[in-house]
Amino acid sequence: EAGVTQFPSHSVIEKGQTVTLRCDPISGHDNLYWYRRVMGKEIKFLLHFVKESKQDESGMPNNRFLAERTGGTYSTLKVQPAELEDSGVYFCASSLPPGPNNTEAFFGQGTRLTVV
Amino acid sequence: DAKTTQPNSMESNEEEPVHLPCNHSTISGTDYIHWYRQLPSQGPEYVIHGLTSNVNNRMASLAIAEDRKSSTLILHRATLRDAAVYYCILSWGPGANNLFFGTGTRLTVIP
Repeated sequence: EAGVTQFPSHSVIEKGQTVTLRCDPISGHDNLYWYRRVMGKEIKFLLHFVKESKQDESGMPNNRFLAERTGGTYSTLKVQPAELEDSGVYFCASSLPPGPNNTEAFFGQGTRLTVV
Repeated sequence: DAKTTQPNSMESNEEEPVHLPCNHSTISGTDYIHWYRQLPSQGPEYVIHGLTSNVNNRMASLAIAEDRKSSTLILHRATLRDAAVYYCILSWGPGANNLFFGTGTRLTVIP
């Protein structure tokens, strides 16, 4: 069974450009999460989808970031326009519906974004 | 976010047990204790979780203090592959929503 897949693995863009990151969750996982680690800091939560609905987007830093999950399958995270401080590693994770005996989230390997 | 405190780094010899401590004195009654680890150049990987009772799985054991203000992740026999940053995380419920990773403990395994 394939794990969580993220595309691209690396992206280098100029300040002011637009970048779209993609995440393909594990098949059947309705819960999808975006996290990121920027500038050598801690990994921080961005948002949580349940199917196509945004369940919690409290971690989204500003309106330059737009996450979508049309159809409840794969998700995209668009940064427009990108700024230097957006550089970092963006992780996607997916899981089954959370429950006391089912809390495991499976993370992808991340997309390393460099804004120059 | 309920916070956790972990040592910045620890070392262990290969094939010996490792006890990774975590303090979470502000834990609330509904907080779950999760442990994730991150190997070099990888995304975080789930290790174990618990609420009140000690837990065992194929990867590790989780010992939770009776007052729940601290816990210990136990790797029974460290291997070189266990070298990673280990994160002790509290969340208000089960699931991976809004996990606060903190700085974690960097475990070095010595051959």
